[in-house]
Amino acid sequence: EAQVTQNPRYLITVTGKKLTVTCSQNMNHEYMSWYRQDPGLGLRQIYYSMNVEVTDKGDVPEGYKVSRKEKRNFPLILESPSPNQTSLYFCASSLQGGSLEAFFGQGTRLTVV
Amino acid sequence: ILNVEQSPQSLHVQEGDSTNFTCSFPSSNFYALHWYRWETAKSPEALFVMTLNGDEKKKGRISATLNTKEGYSYLYIKGSQPEDSATYLCAFPFSGGYNKLIFGAGTRLAVHP
Repeated sequence: EAQVTQNPRYLITVTGKKLTVTCSQNMNHEYMSWYRQDPGLGLRQIYYSMNVEVTDKGDVPEGYKVSRKEKRNFPLILESPSPNQTSLYFCASSLQGGSLEAFFGQGTRLTVV
Repeated sequence: ILNVEQSPQSLHVQEGDSTNFTCSFPSSNFYALHWYRWETAKSPEALFVMTLNGDEKKKGRISATLNTKEGYSYLYIKGSQPEDSATYLCAFPFSGGYNKLIFGAGTRLAVHP
């Protein structure tokens, strides 16, 4: 089954404790992205990747890191999480940029206390 | 920063009603316009990706139109059913096609039996 898999689905952590949210897709997609969703706002892009070892900042990259060492995986790293990073996070992938639909993971609800 | 505006913010209709909502986007440098359906506790799923002015797409009772010259798209739901209750998101690719989607804040639809 074609899918984007995120883990964990839910996470409560403390300020400053490094964490990684994993994202994996099995569709051989080149493009992958991370978004965060906050009440009253649309999905906002954090980082995106156009291919292995090619990543770029989205609209809200501060406090996040990503890596793309393999085509299928695109982890999101919070080196020192802060309460303002409490949010719902989605990973997405697509075959070819903005002209084709994006496939989303199940979401990760992160709470930083 | 490009803005993608959706209206209304929320909508309550009775089962059987037909409804529509709007997505407004920058008309210059148009590349594509995406519509997604996002049910609570699930991940967003693509409904349509539209690329041509005057495009009309249909999936069951849901259809969409596109006017790239004036920068808007309409999503129509005919004979709304409770299972249509969801948030409907539109998204506009930035910078000519890379996977850098700018999302609207969504229209939250509630269909009451």
